[in-house]
Amino acid sequence: GAVVSQHPSWVICKSGTSVKIECRSLDFQATTMFWYRQFPKQSLMLMATSNEGSKATYEQGVEKDKFLINHASLTLSTLTVTSAHPEDSSFYICSATYRGSEQFFGPGTRLTVL
Amino acid sequence: KQEVTQIPAALSVPEGENLVLNCSFTDSAIYNLQWFRQDPGKGLTSLLLIQSSQREQTSGRLNASLDKSSGRSTLYIAASQPGDSATYLCAASFGNEKLTFGTGTRLTIIP
Repeated sequence: GAVVSQHPSWVICKSGTSVKIECRSLDFQATTMFWYRQFPKQSLMLMATSNEGSKATYEQGVEKDKFLINHASLTLSTLTVTSAHPEDSSFYICSATYRGSEQFFGPGTRLTVL
Repeated sequence: KQEVTQIPAALSVPEGENLVLNCSFTDSAIYNLQWFRQDPGKGLTSLLLIQSSQREQTSGRLNASLDKSSGRSTLYIAASQPGDSATYLCAASFGNEKLTFGTGTRLTIIP
């Protein structure tokens, strides 16, 4: 089956710093990648949709200047949390799809901001 | 607004019993529905995907059904085992590639 990886799997950073999370499709070309956030004991909430070579589309209430998304190639999308604060601490999960096929999910990245 | 709901939020059953998890969605124009399993602190494991043209899908001890007219999907787990303990999430696609996730049901199988 299709494999999606994320790096790092967990990260701890100081308040005010920026953190970059990578999402890679390992064995297929992802025309679209999605970024989700999950707070403890809650469900996944879609943050943004990114298509290779174009700007990401953000969901209502998600600050695009805070969460920078780059989808530079068909196998890589990055999410940068800029000037992170403790309230940004969460579990970030990406998924990838090829031309509307089933979404394949990464293992997630646990971000803790001190 | 397209919403997906799962009731109950938590469920405990003795080992060996059959059980049903419920998922409701507000828009009958569903494209597909997917069931996932999530272990604590981990990512998602896809269990079953049902296309809108299908009524059910089966994989081992798992059977998922889809009833568009009533806006419901069920995940049936036969002969439950302690290893089935996890949070189960359903997610619906309404034709625009996005997935709308349910609130999840935390399942505990009691040995």
